[in-house]
Amino acid sequence: EDKVVQSPLSLVVHEGDTVTLNCSYEVTNFRSLLWYKQEKKAPTFLFMLTSSGIEKKSGRLSSILDKKELFSILNITATQTGDSAIYLCAASSFSGAGSYQLTFGKGTKLSVIP
Amino acid sequence: NAGVTQTPKFQVLKTGQSMTLQCAQDMNHEYMSWYRQDPGMGLRLIHYSVGAGITDQGEVPNGYNVSRSTTEDFPLRLLSAAPSQTSVYFCASSTMWGQKNQPQHFGDGTRLSIL
Repeated sequence: EDKVVQSPLSLVVHEGDTVTLNCSYEVTNFRSLLWYKQEKKAPTFLFMLTSSGIEKKSGRLSSILDKKELFSILNITATQTGDSAIYLCAASSFSGAGSYQLTFGKGTKLSVIP
Repeated sequence: NAGVTQTPKFQVLKTGQSMTLQCAQDMNHEYMSWYRQDPGMGLRLIHYSVGAGITDQGEVPNGYNVSRSTTEDFPLRLLSAAPSQTSVYFCASSTMWGQKNQPQHFGDGTRLSIL
C-alpha cells in the first residue's frame, strides 16, 4: 500500500522564523514528489520534484528530494503570517497507460504568529 | 480563465438520498480526478479518468460512481448517501503524465454534509 507521512502534523512559529517540513514516502512506481499549499479552499501547487538533490526555489520557499532515502523537505525562511496554511505533500506513482495517481500525506498545519 | 469549476459549493443531504457533484474544466486536460478530504486524513483519491470513456478506481471508491462522456466534465455520483460520506470533495485536472508533466489544478471544493 502506498504511503506518505508528513511531520510535524502541526507547527506554531513566530514571524521571521525558519521552518522545515518533512515528507517521507513509500510508493511503487514512484514518479515525482509534489508540495501544495492549502489555505481556505483549493490546494495550490508549490513544487514538483523528480530528481534527487536538485533544490527548487520560489522566493522564501525551497524544496529538495532524496530518492535514495525516500524523503523530501520544504523550507520556508523568514516566515510571514501569510505563510499560515496546511502544507500537503503528495507522491505521484505511475499506474500504467500513461496514467498516474497521487497519494497525499495528512498535511502539516503551519501557524505563523506576529 | 475559469480553470476547474465545482458545483455546488455546499450541500446538505439526508441519509439515503442521491446526488451528483459537478466538475468542469476548460483547460483541455485529459486527466481528471476526485478526492475527499476529511479532518486529519489528507486527500484521498476516489476515482480518476484519463480521458473520455475511461475511468478507474482510486483508494476509496465505494459508494461513488463516475463517468466521463466529455473531456470537460467529470461528475461524481453518490448513489445512496451515508453519514460517512460527509466530507469536502475536490476535483482536479492535469495533462497526462509524460506530456507536459504539469501538476494537478484543483477546484475550490464542495462541502457535503449527510444527516
